[in-house]
Amino acid sequence: AQSVTQLDSQVPVFEEAPVELRCNYSSSVSVYLFWYVQYPNQGLQLLLKYLSGSTLVKGINGFEAEFNKSQTSFHLRKPSVHISDTAEYFCAVMSGFGNEKLTFGTGTRLTIIP
Amino acid sequence: EAGVVQSPRYKIIEKKQPVAFWCNPISGHNTLYWYRQNLGQGPELLIRYENEEAVDDSQLPKDRFSAERLKGVDSTLKIQPAELGDSAVYLCASSLVNSGGNEQFFGPGTRLTVL
Repeated sequence: AQSVTQLDSQVPVFEEAPVELRCNYSSSVSVYLFWYVQYPNQGLQLLLKYLSGSTLVKGINGFEAEFNKSQTSFHLRKPSVHISDTAEYFCAVMSGFGNEKLTFGTGTRLTIIP
Repeated sequence: EAGVVQSPRYKIIEKKQPVAFWCNPISGHNTLYWYRQNLGQGPELLIRYENEEAVDDSQLPKDRFSAERLKGVDSTLKIQPAELGDSAVYLCASSLVNSGGNEQFFGPGTRLTVL
């Protein structure tokens, strides 16, 4: 079975400050990892994903994440946040090729303070 | 290109009433998903279709929930009868599965309130 833990339910950050949203996963097989963002009253939008290769993955809106297999982590980072980054962020895991089931964490609400 | 379309966006019903949600996926996507998102939680998969076939419905409460994807395009999710605990946002997603780790594109969801 696969699972995802997002350690912080809420993260307040001042505008233009850096941010890191933490994600840890568990799975008995190789995984694919995703970060999705959800703005109020909208569906989820993919920020970035890790399938293989370089462990540093760059996504949209200036976000990046690093896959760390030994620590089973996939933390999301942005060097300088903007008001428009206020949203709910979800980490998700998919176990291996042929299994398209996404298992999501409980989400982290990022609030940007002007 | 149009995204995943869902209707209605909001639905309020009394408990024990039936309700149905409709989803039109992105054109050409062969795989369709229904998720339920409870307040303060991440989405949880209810059912996954590959074309017309339901390939994973292990999390679908089959005593009251049903789904169909006729002709491998649009899909309908039904609850009959609804219970208070069914209040949630129901999300539809679609993807073109041709390798591993394919991106799922989500619709805006239907927010269901059961009174």
